[in-house]
Amino acid sequence: EPEVTQTPSHQVTQMGQEVILRCVPISNHLYFYWYRQILGQKVEFLVSFYNNEISEKSEIFDDQFSVERPDGSNFTLKIRSTKLEDSAMYFCASSGTRLYNEQFFGPGTRLTVL
Amino acid sequence: AQKVTQAQTEISVVEKEDVTLDCVYETRDTTYYLFWYKQPPSGELVFLIRRNSFDEQNEISGRYSWNFQKSTSSFNFTITASQVVDSAVYFCALTGNNRKLIWGLGTSLAVNP
Repeated sequence: EPEVTQTPSHQVTQMGQEVILRCVPISNHLYFYWYRQILGQKVEFLVSFYNNEISEKSEIFDDQFSVERPDGSNFTLKIRSTKLEDSAMYFCASSGTRLYNEQFFGPGTRLTVL
Repeated sequence: AQKVTQAQTEISVVEKEDVTLDCVYETRDTTYYLFWYKQPPSGELVFLIRRNSFDEQNEISGRYSWNFQKSTSSFNFTITASQVVDSAVYFCALTGNNRKLIWGLGTSLAVNP
């Protein structure tokens, strides 16, 4: 069964450093998403991406964040200068093009900013 | 604005009990979709069910059943004869035309042997 994969599973970084979180969406999906979940809290939408551009973003997704589809398979989230409050689990998801298509989630990357 | 409320923060039951997880939503969209996801202790998010706003039929899948009522803006989830493996955090989520999933705070279910 196709699945969304994410690397690394855990990333530890120093405050102020740049991090890139990587995702490989399901191959025939065209919509891609990033969500985050601060420990013990609810899941929050960050950004959606379609046809090589951002289709929707939340207020959390400020200038420190960027997304890219560098090739035909990867989808990345970059945080330029990490802050302590960026520590969270980051989930990548992908879906088909229909509005009712469920989003399938990767296993997450736990980001720890020290 | 869209909002999902899961009023039950934590529920603890004994194995084989039935348990219902409540979900109440708010949206101004006429077309919207409701979801339930399970997050086991390992942390991944597992899709359980989708419902669209035009389909109020209840659904049963094994020990799981869902009750969608537009009149009360609720989409409740019942586990029958709960098992220890059902222990997880369960999230209700809502999306409309913008595709972004709006999540409830989750209900942590502990099923004790």
